[in-house]
Order: sequence, then structure tokens, then C-alpha cells
Amino acid sequence: QKEVEQDPGPLSVPEGAIVSLNCTYSNSAFQYFMWYRQYSRKGPELLMYTYSSGNKEDGRFTAQVDKSSKYISLFIRDSQPSDSATYLCAMSDKYGGATNKLIFGTGTLLAVQP
Amino acid sequence: GAGVSQTPSNKVTEKGKYVELRCDPISGHTALYWYRQSLGQGPEFLIYFQGTGAADDSGLPNDRFFAVRPEGSVSTLKIQRTERGDSAVYLCASSPARGRQFGTGELFFGEGSRLTVL
Repeated sequence: QKEVEQDPGPLSVPEGAIVSLNCTYSNSAFQYFMWYRQYSRKGPELLMYTYSSGNKEDGRFTAQVDKSSKYISLFIRDSQPSDSATYLCAMSDKYGGATNKLIFGTGTLLAVQP
Repeated sequence: GAGVSQTPSNKVTEKGKYVELRCDPISGHTALYWYRQSLGQGPEFLIYFQGTGAADDSGLPNDRFFAVRPEGSVSTLKIQRTERGDSAVYLCASSPARGRQFGTGELFFGEGSRLTVL
């Protein structure tokens, strides 16, 4: 069993839809949770960062962490064609720059249709 | 440059050949990482440098893989006796030692070197 599980999709939605992306994990030591976005043939870029359980909102994006269920989510409101990309969840058991490695999910490929 | 630079962007080689992949991190970033991303998979950790030394090389799959960062800036990932299973995108990332971005642990990735072993 992988440490981090993520549905690879692909997920296709119409423009303006609410998108829900999810990951589950098995390592209870994970405390730092991230979502990276990766456009085709580009490197991943950080989208959201959360610590421990709770919600964090940034514009159209909301990240949720439920440590009791070992489940994290990313919601995208009013999705746009420019949101079409692969969304990778990533986790670590160490704070910030002390992190020596992130554990990534497989990524979910999202296509937002105009 | 402003971002992490990786060369070559594409490399096609034959089984058994030696390959070097280069990474030039963001100026001033002390931490440097190599990840490997196979088709349809997320990035998989290979090695982490803090300065010139490899602080964690636990992700290197076997002794055919080696990486160096002799002056604490540019890094080279070296793969000996390449195998078809080594085909993947090799991503380099860097991060700073202080500041807000240190606190989030944000990694700044390059566009990767796409390696194809025939």
C-alpha cells in the first residue's frame, strides 16, 4: 500500500463547476499538507499549504485536512479552463525548510471544458 | 536566471550508456532536491542536498545513481549503465534557508529533464 493514495482521474468538468480533489494517507506522522499544480511538461508549483487539521482558503481554492480520517481535499470554485492541469497532493512530517522530502500522490488530471 | 534551470530538457540514450543531468538552482537557495516522475505518477524523492553535502540519499534506487553538488550551487545527477526502467522525467527543486518560503517548505521545481532509454 502506498503512503499516499490519490485518484488519478482524469476528471472532466464544465467551466464554472465546483471541483473536489482528494487524497488519503496512511502515515499518522504527516502534519504538513500541500497541493501542487503541474501543467503539461512543466514542473509542479505550490498552490496551497496547510498545517494539521482545518481549512484554508485562498481565492477560489480551499484546502481541507482531516487528520482523524487521514483525508485531505482541495476544492476549486468557479473552475476555469486555465485550471486544467494535474493536481498533486504532497505531505511531510517535518516543518517547512526542515523538510528533506515530500511524499506525493500520483496526481489527478483535471480538464475544465469551456 | 529567475527559476530552477535544468539541462538537457530531453535526452535519448541507449541501454547501457552513461547519462548526466544538470540542475542550476535559484540563486541563494541552499537546499536542492532531485525527484523522479514516471509517466502517470507523482514525483518520487531521490536525494536532498543541504549545501555541498547529500543530507539524505535514501531515495536513490541503486548504486547506478549518483549525484554531486561540489560548490553548493549547481548539481549533477549521474546515471551509469542506463536501463529502460530509468526512463522518466527527472525533476530538480530548490528551496531557501529562511523566510516565509522556508516556513512552508515550498519547493521550486524546474521543468525537468525527460530521459528516454531505448
